[in-house]
Amino acid sequence: SQTIHQWPATLVQPVGSPLSLECTVEGTSNPNLYWYRQAAGRGLQLLFYSVGIGQISSEVPQNLSASRPQDRQFILSSKKLLLSDSGFYLCAWSSDTEAFFGQGTRLTVV
Amino acid sequence: GQNIDQPTEMTATEGAIVQINCTYQTSGFNGLFWYQQHAGEAPTFLSYNVLDGLEEKGRFSSFLSRSKGYSYLLLKELQMKDSASYLCAGRNTGGFKTIFGAGTRLFVKA
Repeated sequence: SQTIHQWPATLVQPVGSPLSLECTVEGTSNPNLYWYRQAAGRGLQLLFYSVGIGQISSEVPQNLSASRPQDRQFILSSKKLLLSDSGFYLCAWSSDTEAFFGQGTRLTVV
Repeated sequence: GQNIDQPTEMTATEGAIVQINCTYQTSGFNGLFWYQQHAGEAPTFLSYNVLDGLEEKGRFSSFLSRSKGYSYLLLKELQMKDSASYLCAGRNTGGFKTIFGAGTRLFVKA
C-alpha cells in the first residue's frame, strides 16, 4: 500500500531564516506530488505540483520554491521566511482516482 | 481558471441526514473529490466522482452532475464524530491540478 511521510510535524522559525520541508512517498512510482498551504480556518491553497523528477509547476508566486530531486521525494524550501509564511503545509500525492495527504507541518514564523 | 464554491458552515442533528453542496467552474474538468478534515489534522479522502451519478460508500454518498457543475456529499445517520470540515476539490484535464474549495464546517449536535 502507498504511504506518504512528511516532516517535521511542527516547526517554529524566526523571520528571515531558511526553510526545508521534506515529503517522501512509498509504494508507488512516478506519482503526481503536491504542496498545499492552509491558513487557519481556510481552504487549501495549491502552491506547487510535480509530475516527474525535476518538473515543478508553481501556482502562486511567492517566497517559496519546490524541488523534486528523486521520483518519490518532494521538497518545499524558502531562503528567507516571512511572517506571512505561517500556516499548515500539506504534501499530497494522487493517482487517477484517489489522493492522499501527509500528516502536515504546522509552521509558525516568529 | 477554476473556482469551487461551498457553504461555509452547516449544523445538523445526530442521527439525521445532511447534504453538503459544491459548485465548480473549471476549464477542463477531470473529476471531483470530497475530503474530511478534523481540526488540526490532514484531510482524509472520502470519494471521487468523474461520471454523473451517485457513488455510495457506507454512510457517505457523493453525487456529480457535470452538465450543471454541481456535486454534493450526503452523510446519513450522523454521528458526533462527523463534526469536521468537508472539502470539495476539482481536478482539471490532465489530472495534475487539484483545486480546493474553502471547506464546509459541519457541526453535529446531540
